Amino acid sequence: RKEVEQDPGPFNVPEGATVAFNCTYSNSASQSFFWYRQDCRKEPKLLMSVYSSGNEDGRFTAQLNRASQYISLLIRDSKLSDSATYLCVGKEGSQGNLIFGKGTKLSVKP
Amino acid sequence: EPEVTQTPSHQVTQMGQEVILRCVPISNHLYFYWYRQILGQKVEFLVSFYNNEISEKSEIFDDQFSVERPDGSNFTLKIRSTKLEDSAMYFCASTWDGGGPQHFGDGTRLSIL
Repeated sequence: RKEVEQDPGPFNVPEGATVAFNCTYSNSASQSFFWYRQDCRKEPKLLMSVYSSGNEDGRFTAQLNRASQYISLLIRDSKLSDSATYLCVGKEGSQGNLIFGKGTKLSVKP
Repeated sequence: EPEVTQTPSHQVTQMGQEVILRCVPISNHLYFYWYRQILGQKVEFLVSFYNNEISEKSEIFDDQFSVERPDGSNFTLKIRSTKLEDSAMYFCASTWDGGGPQHFGDGTRLSIL
């Protein structure tokens, strides 16, 4: 069974904190990975793709470890607007469907 | 920035009735998808569509479901004889090349009474 597992949280952090989310996946055939964020009752929105070499987009850093089947997201200097659910997502094949984790809820407090 | 648009935003239907959910993918995208999210649960894949045919479907996508691209812009999901457990948010997504990240519409909330 193809699964993406995440710590559901919630993570409650103060503004300015650094927070890290982890995710594991069970299907070694998964080729691509992404982090999406989802606000309450809204659609998933792409945050960033995840590469084995690690990639950074401003305050966000994502990392993929294929040997351990492990994906991470680091958020530095967290803002109130970062409060959301963060979805770890794997993709199957070249036209494949997305497999979503249940998400990790983040609340950033003033 | 181009967007995937979905209508209606909220659909209320009696159990056993048919419902059609509509999506307009981003105009130059070639791969189209439907997902659903039951309240409090994870997003689940239903079906993918490319070159006017279904590429892949999940075990959720049984005979009560069908998809269609009736013209050059719309992509529809039809649910025949709806059940209470079909109540969920339904998201349409599209992508240009199948390998890249998918862009989601803002969803249709389907409530079956």
